[in-house]
Amino acid sequence: NAGVTQTPKFRVLKTGQSMTLLCAQDMNHEYMYWYRQDPGMGLRLIHYSVGEGTTAKGEVPDGYNVSRLKKQNFLLGLESAAPSQTSVYFCASSYGRGQRTEAFFGQGTRLTVV
Amino acid sequence: AQTVTQSQPEMSVQEAETVTLSCTYDTSENNYYLFWYKQPPSRQMILVIRQEAYKQQNATENRFSVNFQKAAKSFSLKISDSQLGDTAMYFCAFMKPNDMRFGAGTRLTVKP
Repeated sequence: NAGVTQTPKFRVLKTGQSMTLLCAQDMNHEYMYWYRQDPGMGLRLIHYSVGEGTTAKGEVPDGYNVSRLKKQNFLLGLESAAPSQTSVYFCASSYGRGQRTEAFFGQGTRLTVV
Repeated sequence: AQTVTQSQPEMSVQEAETVTLSCTYDTSENNYYLFWYKQPPSRQMILVIRQEAYKQQNATENRFSVNFQKAAKSFSLKISDSQLGDTAMYFCAFMKPNDMRFGAGTRLTVKP
């Protein structure tokens, strides 16, 4: 099973450029999340989705947009990249409720904005 | 919003000894889940242990166990018989179904 797959794994952007990070899960999970990880700050929630067609803001949503057009995919967009968005980005998915509740993570995407 | 606090940025332990990592959280929710995740240098996030808030019994998984104090909003992780492969970042996490928050992490080093 693939689990949660993030594309790409590494990317270097110039300031002002745009890009989209793709997250795909094959576990039929309702909930999906995007996090950024910075040294000393743990994982901070950017946006999340509780189902197809729905999205909501997390702790640090500014500068990012998301879409969940299909249940298995959750896209994170940067419209105009800034050096402050240099980070490692993680996507996760979960059932959300019940005994199988836990978050499954992708491998992470290391993004550098120069 | 929920907050999760890990007050120990770094810890070390000798191989085969026991170590406890601390975690506190703040929430007004009554039903939620708590987790410890391990992140080795490979960057992969690995679930160590899970605790449902409605369960009074502390969760255990082999060498890993938790001390869950719901009233005190405390959720510590005990690692027994520490092994070199336990060296990693450890994150405490709080989840209600539509939201999951993490602490800043504790870097654990197991020394031979």
